[in-house]
Amino acid sequence: ETGVTQTPRHLVMGMTNKKSLKCEQHLGHNAMYWYKQSAKKPLELMFVYSLEERVENNSVPSRFSPECPNSSHLFLHLHTLQPEDSALYLCASSQVGTDTQYFGPGTRLTVL
Amino acid sequence: AQSVTQLDSQVPVFEEAPVELRCNYSSSVSVYLFWYVQYPNQGLQLLLKYLSGSTLVKGINGFEAEFNKSQTSFHLRKPSVHISDTAEYFCAVSDQSSNYQLIWGAGTKLIIKP
Repeated sequence: ETGVTQTPRHLVMGMTNKKSLKCEQHLGHNAMYWYKQSAKKPLELMFVYSLEERVENNSVPSRFSPECPNSSHLFLHLHTLQPEDSALYLCASSQVGTDTQYFGPGTRLTVL
Repeated sequence: AQSVTQLDSQVPVFEEAPVELRCNYSSSVSVYLFWYVQYPNQGLQLLLKYLSGSTLVKGINGFEAEFNKSQTSFHLRKPSVHISDTAEYFCAVSDQSSNYQLIWGAGTKLIIKP
């Protein structure tokens, strides 16, 4: 595997389900990001981890819970989501102190 | 706070014609500027970036962009597009006010007509 991978690529869940999104980077980076991409809207930064510590949380509802167990892995735990949470969730990584982020292909989430 | 405007949500253009995708940002104090491309069913990929130096920046796939400080713009251009350029293009800016996190535009879909 190379670059940034995300699983699953597609997820359909009910409002009462609990699920997790997984991101893995194979680039040796030490910063990781979760973004929400909705149609016709700018990318929304949700969480940033730098050196495995959360450094940014942009007022994201508590039904989204991130976890970064090491510098290569990032999870987004989901529970009691709303239909408006349906979107493409993108993971990215970078090297702290550099400016370029590398993105995974995303997880297309549909909440029924 | 910094903001980014991509004026066109879609730009249709004939194959082999030139194209310009527009990007304006709100604050001109010491910014870093980026264009990313998202091909269908893929993540975003860096096309080019401006950090300092020459205002004309060349990127991958024949794209270039020009930083215009007085106009607070960073428009993306290509002299001759190909069908493979069909994608969505995102402009992003970072500066001190955003703690150097990327602030994104809403994207422009480039539609290539045969």
